[in-house]
Amino acid sequence: ETGVTQSPTHLIKTRGQQVTLRCSSQSGHNTVSWYQQALGQGPQFIFQYYREEENGRGNFPPRFSGLQFPNYSSELNVNALELDDSALYLCASSLVGGKYTEAFFGQGTRLTVV
Amino acid sequence: KNQVEQSPQSLIILEGKNCTLQCNYTVSPFSNLRWYKQDTGRGPVSLTIMTFSENTKSNGRYTATLDADTKQSSLHITASQLSDSASYICVVIPNTGFQKLVFGTGTRLLVSP
Repeated sequence: ETGVTQSPTHLIKTRGQQVTLRCSSQSGHNTVSWYQQALGQGPQFIFQYYREEENGRGNFPPRFSGLQFPNYSSELNVNALELDDSALYLCASSLVGGKYTEAFFGQGTRLTVV
Repeated sequence: KNQVEQSPQSLIILEGKNCTLQCNYTVSPFSNLRWYKQDTGRGPVSLTIMTFSENTKSNGRYTATLDADTKQSSLHITASQLSDSASYICVVIPNTGFQKLVFGTGTRLLVSP
């Protein structure tokens, strides 16, 4: 177990709805990143939060937004859901600094948009 | 074009046999290169991490190599076990101001009894 937990594990939403996914990072970690993994593909970087501020973003539209809280847990919000948003959403927790930064992943949230 | 490409896409081997997975990348400069194992529907788990100056890194039956000149990496699995059946993903971390993992599409390995 990595100590990174995501909730819920599975979710079904209707096109046009909004969804919030949650991630509790590993104790002591100050950075959380979110990834979208479509079936049969590698994860794609959505964005990263460091000390409650977004400090990097991938090629995703503004309807993908996030938050990081003082305890370093995080939320991913997706508005106006589209069918193509169906994917496994992964959260990665890390402590930036040192030789390299290890990233620990949660088990993911499987989102299905119908 | 994907910045991290892996081959083969899928592989079936018999239990106990060895195999080698390949990764070619164009991400440059990069901070480090990693290999992850991902079981279906689960989050990836790190196997090895190598900086650009390292040539090889082992973790039990897993040995990763890196050739920064040719921008190639490989993951060698020895004495395969049924539990090795999973996707193996090559990940490159560019030298940016933040940690962004660039994933390959993975190699799906099936170890057959």
